[in-house]
Amino acid sequence: NAGVTQTPKFQVLKTGQSMTLQCAQDMNHEYMSWYRQDPGMGLRLIHYSVGAGITDQGEVPNGYNVSRSTTEDFPLRLLSAAPSQTSVYFCASSPRFGSAGGTEAFFGQGTRLTVV
Amino acid sequence: GNSVTQMEGPVTLSEEAFLTINCTYTATGYPSLFWYVQYPGEGLQLLLKATKADDKGSNKGFEATYRKETTSFHLEKGSVQVSDSAVYFCALTGNTPLVFGKGTRLSVIA
Repeated sequence: NAGVTQTPKFQVLKTGQSMTLQCAQDMNHEYMSWYRQDPGMGLRLIHYSVGAGITDQGEVPNGYNVSRSTTEDFPLRLLSAAPSQTSVYFCASSPRFGSAGGTEAFFGQGTRLTVV
Repeated sequence: GNSVTQMEGPVTLSEEAFLTINCTYTATGYPSLFWYVQYPGEGLQLLLKATKADDKGSNKGFEATYRKETTSFHLEKGSVQVSDSAVYFCALTGNTPLVFGKGTRLSVIA
């Protein structure tokens, strides 16, 4: 079972470079999201999508873009990397949005990004 | 907006000790409540959940009860093992994306 797959696992960027973090899920989930995890800050929501073609901003969207052209994929783009974007990034998916039935989120293994 | 507050760590316990990690929340309506666990180098995985008041979620010896009157969802385990060493996150969702607490790191020593 692949579940949620994130690539790459590790990345080092120079300030000002751009890159795309990939996220794919094979569970036909409607809802996908991106979080960043920083020490002492927990997980903070960057962007989310409730279905193909629909995206919305989370708590910390600045400096990041997303698109959702298919149900399976939800890439996160860093437009011009900054040291403040050094973090661990997690992609998650759920069958649906919201709390109905206590919908569980499934997480990828994470991408550890360092911006120098 | 919705928010989750959980006790600061780190927490260090001896094997077979009793564990409590406190979690309180602020939310409108009737959210679902979750505990997620993150083992070293891995992503988060669901530990247990509760979807309505007075529900008790349980898994792997861990338990938490959804207390609406105190807006709490404290995590407990009667006898921890070294393999329980991880970071634990309390989280909630209403008709909103998941909101997480800051996490509590647990270390269990033999």
